Amino acid sequence: ELKVEQNPLFLSMQEGKNYTIYCNYSTTSDRLYWYRQDPGKSLESLFVLLSNGAVKQEGRLMASLDTKARLSTLHITAAVHDLSATYFCAPRETSGSRLTFGEGTQLTVNP
Amino acid sequence: GAGVSQSPSNKVTEKGKDVELRCDPISGHTALYWYRQSLGQGLEFLIYFQGNSAPDKSGLPSDRFSAERTGGSVSTLTIQRTQQEDSAVYLCASSSPSLRTSGGAYNEQFFGPGTRLTVL
Repeated sequence: ELKVEQNPLFLSMQEGKNYTIYCNYSTTSDRLYWYRQDPGKSLESLFVLLSNGAVKQEGRLMASLDTKARLSTLHITAAVHDLSATYFCAPRETSGSRLTFGEGTQLTVNP
Repeated sequence: GAGVSQSPSNKVTEKGKDVELRCDPISGHTALYWYRQSLGQGLEFLIYFQGNSAPDKSGLPSDRFSAERTGGSVSTLTIQRTQQEDSAVYLCASSSPSLRTSGGAYNEQFFGPGTRLTVL
């Protein structure tokens, strides 16, 4: 059974600062997704990482995947208030189609 | 373009009643997924459809839960004899396993707005 751990679970940061969210998973995965969720809203897809060493960037967010270490990171550069949300990583098991979600990282960016 | 839609957006029911939740996937998406999100359990997979068949229903928590999909499109999740622990947001997602979707990647799951179920 695929298990996913995100850390930190809660992150409060100041605007302009950098930080990284980590996502560790327990078994082989062939791809990993990052989603954003605003309060009371559904999940918005941010990145799909398809292979070892994949790096994707969109604005102030950059995601990477190391399948050998079973680790993905979501790096935030020069945070702004609009990035405040909960971020989930979700690897997909190689043998199936389901996504297994981490607990989520609740990010608050303070002015 | 139209995304995944779900209805109702909110449902309040009494313990012991049956409920039906509906999901309309993105047109052309052959794969459909149900998840639920609750405070205590986070985001959990329930069931996966490929076309009208469900090759993975291992996430359904009990035999009170069932789902069907007809015409390779709309899906209904039914919860019989609801219990208070069934209270959660039920999310539906769809994807296209074989085609690169516009702006997306292979098998990327797009989520609907969810149905918030409250069992009193």
